Amino acid sequence: AQSVTQPDIHITVSEGASLELRCNYSYGATPYLFWYVQSPGQGLQLLLKYFSGDTLVQGIKGFEAEFKRSQSSFNLRKPSVHWSDAAEYFCAVLRNNNDMRFGAGTRLTVKP
Amino acid sequence: DTEVTQTPKHLVMGMTNKKSLKCEQHMGHRAMYWYKQKAKKPPELMFVYSYEKLSINESVPSRFSPECPNSSLLNLHLHALQPEDSALYLCASSQRPGTGDQPQHFGDGTRLSIL
Repeated sequence: AQSVTQPDIHITVSEGASLELRCNYSYGATPYLFWYVQSPGQGLQLLLKYFSGDTLVQGIKGFEAEFKRSQSSFNLRKPSVHWSDAAEYFCAVLRNNNDMRFGAGTRLTVKP
Repeated sequence: DTEVTQTPKHLVMGMTNKKSLKCEQHMGHRAMYWYKQKAKKPPELMFVYSYEKLSINESVPSRFSPECPNSSLLNLHLHALQPEDSALYLCASSQRPGTGDQPQHFGDGTRLSIL
């Protein structure tokens, strides 16, 4: 079955430091992969998506992610974290026919 | 601001009440979804509507009854809920059902509390 694993439940980084959030997927074919962010009390906002083509994808708010088929990974990165980036981050894979499955999420805390 | 609007934002109801959650989008999307999200957990898919027809029901109890009256509206009717049903209920939409390359756009959710 297709699934998504986010190994880190909680990450703390200092403001201005770089960030990498890990995501591993299990899928038999070319996956459709997404990163979403959720602030407290709000819905999910799409940061970026990967369908095919260039394996480095750019998203909103200065985020990027790299698809690595050999490692079954789709890690999210940001070169310099801002305090407003503190939130929950979900990696997701879209299975056939609109069935989206989410990883467990990684909570990001940003230290001043 | 989200393009998927959910009402109400908060709902408190007793176990014998009947209430409905509403979701609306005007992006011309033809797939709409209901998710349930417990605290500190990822969203879990409940229902998928494709072209106003129910296409996925993830074995959701019958006390949850979805309805898609037209391509812009999605309702979730609630009856005889249990305390464990307290959660954030998220609605989402995507452009074209049946294709894999469509991201889902989420509303801000309805926070439901069952007394």
